[in-house]
Amino acid sequence: QVQLQESGPGLVKPSETLSLTCTVSGDSISNYYWSWIRQPPGKGLEWIGYIYYSGSTNYNPSLKSRLTISIDTSKKQFSLKLSSMTDADTAIYYCARGTVTVGNFDYWGQGTLVTVSS
Amino acid sequence: QSVLTQPPSVSGAPGQRVTISCTGSSSNLGAGFDVHWYQRLPGTAPKLLIYVNSNRPSGVPDRFSGSKSGTSASLAITGLQAEDEADYYCQSYDNSLSGHVFGTGTKVAVL
Repeated sequence: QVQLQESGPGLVKPSETLSLTCTVSGDSISNYYWSWIRQPPGKGLEWIGYIYYSGSTNYNPSLKSRLTISIDTSKKQFSLKLSSMTDADTAIYYCARGTVTVGNFDYWGQGTLVTVSS
Repeated sequence: QSVLTQPPSVSGAPGQRVTISCTGSSSNLGAGFDVHWYQRLPGTAPKLLIYVNSNRPSGVPDRFSGSKSGTSASLAITGLQAEDEADYYCQSYDNSLSGHVFGTGTKVAVL
């Protein structure tokens, strides 16, 4: 069974950089794209971006200038760095596995709440 | 930044049928991109419910069905059960944004 687990700080100060890591278990990291998705309180889901196992990336244009997603295939981990955090970035952050041929997200992590506050 | 529009809420009595619409545009659903549906139970991560318009992953009851036509898609729940109370989201790909997009989300209430 594929499992994804997010890890990282639950509290980030305004203007700082958020760093989250997602660890994948139960299957190969190859041949999928690995995504970050978030949900602000009381709002809907927002796709943040993804990285293919080869390292190519695709980012949400609204976050692109602040976003870096990287992958470490040897550790079966991928990571998110989002800079210049503001209140608007407070959200539950999910990592998810995306299927290349279908375009959906078939496995999700449990999510981690990130709060931006001084 | 949702470009897929869903009704905020739908409700029905146990056993009834409810449908959730997902309206897109020529850059996503209308461009031929598939739609997928997710169920988010309170306090849990979203779960894939329907993929490629009308397919159910293993373990999803056949009470859930999906369809797509043109720039719209819909999710139907027949024989509504209390455990179906959740938020439901559609998702697709958008050419203009060159990325994935989610619907605005619909809360299903079982009366």
